[in-house]
Amino acid sequence: RKEVEQDPGPFNVPEGATVAFNCTYSNSASQSFFWYRQDCRKEPKLLMSVYSSGNEDGRFTAQLNRASQYISLLIRDSKLSDSATYLCVVILKAGGFKTIFGAGTRLFVKA
Amino acid sequence: DAGVIQSPRHEVTEMGQEVTLRCKPISGHDYLFWYRQTMMRGLELLIYFNNNVPIDDSGMPEDRFSAKMPNASFSTLKIQPSEPRDSAVYFCASSFRLLQETQYFGPGTRLLVL
Repeated sequence: RKEVEQDPGPFNVPEGATVAFNCTYSNSASQSFFWYRQDCRKEPKLLMSVYSSGNEDGRFTAQLNRASQYISLLIRDSKLSDSATYLCVVILKAGGFKTIFGAGTRLFVKA
Repeated sequence: DAGVIQSPRHEVTEMGQEVTLRCKPISGHDYLFWYRQTMMRGLELLIYFNNNVPIDDSGMPEDRFSAKMPNASFSTLKIQPSEPRDSAVYFCASSFRLLQETQYFGPGTRLLVL
């Protein structure tokens, strides 16, 4: 079982739709959680950190469920520019600290 | 700030040749990471440094790979000898802290080993 798992998609949604992604992690020693966005042939960029209390940034909402070991990303009012791959990232303490990226979920927003 | 700088941006080489990838982290960042991204395996952490010291190199695929950070503003990832299966995009990233801290990625080096 992979340490961080995501549905690869692709998710094809119309503009204005609400879309949600989940990411599960297997190691309870996971300490920090992030969502990154990666555009085609570009580097990953931080979208948002994920805090235990949940957090929102404009149209984006991230939540963490430690009991069930998953994090989620909700995108409201999807824009064409939201089309990208969304990477779930977990930093866990296992000896030292390990940064683990999920394989990513592809999103296509269509007009 | 210029961001993380990587060179070269593209590299095409023949099997058996030595490849050296370079990275300049953001000034003031204490952590530097090397990642490899392929379609099959996604983004994998190869090694990371803290204050120029390698902390965890468990992701380095084999002895053909080596990384150094001689000072706070420069790191190299070397592959010797290179093999076709090393073809990938190699990213360098840096951050100020490790936890609850953004990692800033460079534009990557696209490596093709023929």
